[in-house]
Amino acid sequence: EADIYQTPRYLVIGTGKKITLECSQTMGHDKMYWYQQDPGMELHLIHYSYGVNSTEKGDLSSESTVSRIRTEHFPLTLESARPSHTSQYLCASSEREGLEDTQYFGPGTRLTVL
Amino acid sequence: GDSVTQMEGPVTLSEEAFLTINCTYTATGYPSLFWYVQYPGEGLQLLLKATKADDKGSNKGFEATYRKETTSFHLEKGSVQVSDSAVYFCALSRVNRDDKIIFGKGTRLHILP
Repeated sequence: EADIYQTPRYLVIGTGKKITLECSQTMGHDKMYWYQQDPGMELHLIHYSYGVNSTEKGDLSSESTVSRIRTEHFPLTLESARPSHTSQYLCASSEREGLEDTQYFGPGTRLTVL
Repeated sequence: GDSVTQMEGPVTLSEEAFLTINCTYTATGYPSLFWYVQYPGEGLQLLLKATKADDKGSNKGFEATYRKETTSFHLEKGSVQVSDSAVYFCALSRVNRDDKIIFGKGTRLHILP
């Protein structure tokens, strides 16, 4: 079982603040992902990385940015938070198991921007 | 493009009832198929998977069979418990392409005691 951690679990902040959501995994997985989950439960891929110094934008446009300086660490940053950023953010990492990649998820960060 | 369609919820059942959550997919090639579960306040957990046609994935009493002829991967459980209340996501993996996972929109399940 993969160990993947997200901090903080809950965050309430005011508009205009800069925030960084942390994600770390201890499995040595090369691939990592950030999803935004809306209240209707649907998952939207916003960023992914296939290794150190590799980052790509996902299917849903996001004002957030990511970095991948170390294999185990994939932080997400919002330079100026707004109420529209209020959501659940899920981090995942994956490894190849046989023919396919299996993703393992962190517990999520619930962000509320006032 | 590739996609996953699963039945809309919420689904409400009594304890010990039989569960089916329908899932169909559209994909080129031969995707791998997954069911993930999300308990309240948590991230997603892999429940089961199947990698080729006619494979059956199973875990914790849940089962799903990869049906290529009907492009389906329906989730079933013979006798549900209150602790099964959660959101269930069907998903496919685009093997040997970009390896992204495509998720369905999720089905919320409520089990009444």
